[in-house]
Amino acid sequence: AQRVTQPEKLLSVFKGAPVELKCNYSYSGSPELFWYVQYSRQRLQLLLRHISRESIKGFTADLNKGETSFHLKKPFAQEEDSAMYYCALSLYGNNRLAFGKGNQVVVIP
Amino acid sequence: NAGVTQTPKFQVLKTGQSMTLQCAQDMNHEYMSWYRQDPGMGLRLIHYSVGAGITDQGEVPNGYNVSRSTTEDFPLRLLSAAPSQTSVYFCASSYRESNEQFFGPGTRLTVL
Repeated sequence: AQRVTQPEKLLSVFKGAPVELKCNYSYSGSPELFWYVQYSRQRLQLLLRHISRESIKGFTADLNKGETSFHLKKPFAQEEDSAMYYCALSLYGNNRLAFGKGNQVVVIP
Repeated sequence: NAGVTQTPKFQVLKTGQSMTLQCAQDMNHEYMSWYRQDPGMGLRLIHYSVGAGITDQGEVPNGYNVSRSTTEDFPLRLLSAAPSQTSVYFCASSYRESNEQFFGPGTRLTVL
C-alpha cells in the first residue's frame, strides 16, 4: 500500500509565483515527515523535516495530522528551485523511509 | 569528511552477470540503506542495516543481497542481473538517533 502520496508528477510555475507541493501519508503510528530535494545531477538532500518547524530556502511545511498531510509551500518561486522533490515518511522510527513518487518542479523565468 | 561515497558511477551489465555496488561512509553512522530510483516510482527501499552484522529486507529485496561486515561499508550485490534491475541506486546512512539520511551520489545501472 502506498504510504506517501504525491499527486502531481510535474509542476510548472512562473518565477515569483507561489508553489505548493502536496503530500499525504497513511500511517497509524506517530509520523515523522520529511521533504528531500534533488537538484539536477546532484544527490538527494534533506530540505526540511516537520519536527524542526523551520523554513529552509523559503520553503515551509506543516504537518496536519487531521488531514494526514505535509504539504510543501513557498510564496515566491525562484529559478533555482527547479528540482525533484520527494516527500518521505519515517517508518516505526527506525530510519526506514517510505518515499512518495516525487514532484518535478520547473520554474519558468 | 567524504560523506557517503558510491562506486561505480555508471555500469552496464548483460543479463545474468553479477556485480557489487559499493557504498562507504566515514561519518560513523549506524544505519545504512540501499534505495532504487525509477521514473514514476520514487525511491524504494531495497535493504537496510541497523549496524555491523545486522541487515534486513526492505520493500523490494528480490534479486539483491547485502552484508555489513564493518560500520563503514554496505555493498549491494546483484547475483544475476535482469533488465528489471536497470535503475539508479542510492546508498544512504544516518545516525541511530536521527532519521535524517545522507545520500550518496548514486550508481546508474543498465542491464541489457
